[in-house]
Amino acid sequence: QKEVEQNSGPLSVPEGAIASLNCTYSDRGSQSFFWYRQYSGKSPELIMFIYSNGDKEDGRFTAQLNKASQYVSLLIRDSQPSDSATYLCAVNKDTDKLIFGTGTRLQVFP
Amino acid sequence: GAVVSQHPSWVICKSGTSVKIECRSLDFQATTMFWYRQFPKQSLMLMATSNEGSKATYEQGVEKDKFLINHASLTLSTLTVTSAHPEDSSFYICSASQGQRNSPLHFGNGTRLTVT
Repeated sequence: QKEVEQNSGPLSVPEGAIASLNCTYSDRGSQSFFWYRQYSGKSPELIMFIYSNGDKEDGRFTAQLNKASQYVSLLIRDSQPSDSATYLCAVNKDTDKLIFGTGTRLQVFP
Repeated sequence: GAVVSQHPSWVICKSGTSVKIECRSLDFQATTMFWYRQFPKQSLMLMATSNEGSKATYEQGVEKDKFLINHASLTLSTLTVTSAHPEDSSFYICSASQGQRNSPLHFGNGTRLTVT
């Protein structure tokens, strides 16, 4: 079992729709959860991080964490073509070391 | 804030030569830096963790004699790919931590290495 699992996609959504990206992790001791966006040929950029169960909203993005189910998700409201990228879920325990999922490719079509 | 600069952004070298990649934290002191490698359409794979003033910790399967890491100061870490081969061609990305547990990592822009 991989430490961090994501559906590779592609996930295709129409412009203006809500894109829902999911991630599961295997280590119950994981404490911090991050979503990064990576455009082709570029390095990852941080979208959001979440530490506590529940929802965390930042603009069009909402991160959701359920530690009991070992599940973290990212919702993108009013999706735009510029949101088309690979979204990486990352997890760590109590150090700085991040474990990345394989990423989900999102395609937002006009 | 929290800018990480990586240089060069791309490099082409011949088989058998060595290439050095620099990673600098520009506006903060990075107690720990991480080096990742990413092959096309794959995720980031952690190669090693670099702490200032001490030896790097390599992940399983990463040859420490091939990928030399030096973290001489709190703002600079270097990765040297020695005796490069075509299979070393990849996207190398560094990231830096400000030393606070569970804080987000800040990534450099990456280095595209092509070995011919």
